[in-house]
Amino acid sequence: GEDVEQSLFLSVREGDSSVINCTYTDSSSTYLYWYKQEPGAGLQLLTYIFSNMDMKQDQRLTVLLNKKDKHLSLRIADTQTGDSAIYFCAETLNTGGFKTIFGAGTRLFVKA
Amino acid sequence: KAGVTQTPRYLIKTRGQQVTLSCSPISGHRSVSWYQQTPGQGLQFLFEYFSETQRNKGNFPGRFSGRQFSNSRSEMNVSTLELGDSALYLCASSFRDRGRSNEKLFFGSGTQLSVL
Repeated sequence: GEDVEQSLFLSVREGDSSVINCTYTDSSSTYLYWYKQEPGAGLQLLTYIFSNMDMKQDQRLTVLLNKKDKHLSLRIADTQTGDSAIYFCAETLNTGGFKTIFGAGTRLFVKA
Repeated sequence: KAGVTQTPRYLIKTRGQQVTLSCSPISGHRSVSWYQQTPGQGLQFLFEYFSETQRNKGNFPGRFSGRQFSNSRSEMNVSTLELGDSALYLCASSFRDRGRSNEKLFFGSGTQLSVL
């Protein structure tokens, strides 16, 4: 099946770490992604991970992948007010043509 | 390099009308995907075009259609508009390498459609 699920809201204090979680259902996905959407804008690719990796780190961002449980997480270290946005988890399915499906998005609130 | 451009930015229509939205991808990108974003449903995949061919389609009624031109620019059309079609329509382009499944999408800012 095709489904990506993530919690809808997360609130953290500035300087703390944020962890956004996601579960997906299609085990054949080879790449999984995190996108960020700021108000009034389209989505921006933050980072991605190949399915044969467990972890990927990119500056303040750490992606963890548990392929057995089909669980993906995004950790943002030292969260800043500028990180307030909606974060989307996504997977690409190869169904003849490629199709990327997204979770509903997690709205991150960062309190100063 | 210019990003993905969507026009118009805002659109107000009434029920029963039709609408055409336009998307110009990043130069060199041959794949264009369309998404509908609503507060209740999140991002829903509409369709994907590659080299003027529709390669994938989401679960939307036939009122939603699209096409891609030889310069990779794409349009989507919604006929007989309904109130529930009010949404942000996002276009994304990608550089599709044959056989590779890493589809990094580059999004436009979207067209906000309001149906009254």
